[in-house]
Amino acid sequence: GQNIDQPTEMTATEGAIVQINCTYQTSGFNGLFWYQQHAGEAPTFLSYNVLDGLEEKGRFSSFLSRSKGYSYLLLKELQMKDSASYLCAVRGWDNNDMRFGAGTRLTVKP
Amino acid sequence: NAGVTQTPKFQVLKTGQSMTLQCAQDMNHEYMSWYRQDPGMGLRLIHYSVGAGITDQGEVPNGYNVSRSTTEDFPLRLLSAAPSQTSVYFCASSLGQGTDTQYFGPGTRLTVL
Repeated sequence: GQNIDQPTEMTATEGAIVQINCTYQTSGFNGLFWYQQHAGEAPTFLSYNVLDGLEEKGRFSSFLSRSKGYSYLLLKELQMKDSASYLCAVRGWDNNDMRFGAGTRLTVKP
Repeated sequence: NAGVTQTPKFQVLKTGQSMTLQCAQDMNHEYMSWYRQDPGMGLRLIHYSVGAGITDQGEVPNGYNVSRSTTEDFPLRLLSAAPSQTSVYFCASSLGQGTDTQYFGPGTRLTVL
């Protein structure tokens, strides 16, 4: 089985940088995903890591350390529209083994 | 492309009633899945399908049935609704399983009284 932990809530200021952490315990690992979910909407894909290191995509970057069971999502130059929940998800080896964290609700203030 | 569509958007049921949540995708994706999302909990996998005619259970399958007669459609049936099934239900699809990105539908908010 898998256990995914991430902070429940975070607050940051417009224009700043914020890092959202995710730790996981897994019996098998086949990739880590980050999704963004605005209130009342569907999750949308942000990033995918399967190897150690940093993946950069515009203002968003995601880092993975498999040996530490740790990932973070880095959001730069925060905008008000970045206020949303950010979901960390880990896929195991089996088709039915996709586990999501409870999500981190980020509030961006002016 | 419409992507992943779900109907209805909202539904209220009484305990014991049955209903079907519809999900369709027009991206020719083989892999489709159903999740439920409850406050304070992550999305939990209910059932999934790796292709037409093939379905399997996820983490929380009890009380739900699925079928996959076509590549496009993957309905979720609640056999006898219970208040514990009050939740937001998301359907998702991807080209394959494994590392492929999942695309989510807009969700169905279900309340069981």
